[in-house]
Amino acid sequence: DQQVKQNSPSLSVQEGRISILNCDYTNSMFDYFLWYKKYPAEGPTFLISISSIKDKNEDGRFTVFLNKSAKHLSLHIVPSQPGDSAVYFCAARAGGGADGLTFGKGTHLIIQP
Amino acid sequence: DAGVIQSPRHEVTEMGQEVTLRCKPISGHNSLFWYRQTMMRGLELLIYFNNNVPIDDSGMPEDRFSAKMPNASFSTLKIQPSEPRDSAVYFCASTWGTEAFFGQGTRLTVV
Repeated sequence: DQQVKQNSPSLSVQEGRISILNCDYTNSMFDYFLWYKKYPAEGPTFLISISSIKDKNEDGRFTVFLNKSAKHLSLHIVPSQPGDSAVYFCAARAGGGADGLTFGKGTHLIIQP
Repeated sequence: DAGVIQSPRHEVTEMGQEVTLRCKPISGHNSLFWYRQTMMRGLELLIYFNNNVPIDDSGMPEDRFSAKMPNASFSTLKIQPSEPRDSAVYFCASTWGTEAFFGQGTRLTVV
């Protein structure tokens, strides 16, 4: 039973446009959310995070939005660049600290020139 | 710091053989996690350690899987005997605080 769901296995976006990656969760105990980016043959790398006490966090071209009532978060990338082509994983944690992250299955973002 | 180091990067073994995957976490990190990535199930948490103590191994698929962390700088994940369905990429991650840092993974192929 998937507690973190990324329903789009892949997404294709034109360079320069906005990329929106979505993530839904079912566990109301999750209080911290992260996005990881993964290139082929490499481990996931941290991209951006948001605490449940916020509804938005921005870092350069990347913004994460959290809608707690809908148990939904999204990652916006604007403008999209070719180097953004990767698999993006949404992850969540409950209880802050040592517990492992629960990941979604990932969305493969393809930026087309 | 060199980051989380995993070895080997690739492992091909025959069904029934024992496989040992190794991980060196980032110095100073107090938690270590083993994940498995497959197409079907994505990234699954297998087990995690806090201060070298196994905290939750509920994600370990079967008794064929075991993990140890004898000290703060080393952990192993062992599969004995290995089966073709164990073929996957295995990631180790360490954390201090809320962000996890991943190694480059070990791609295991069991034939």
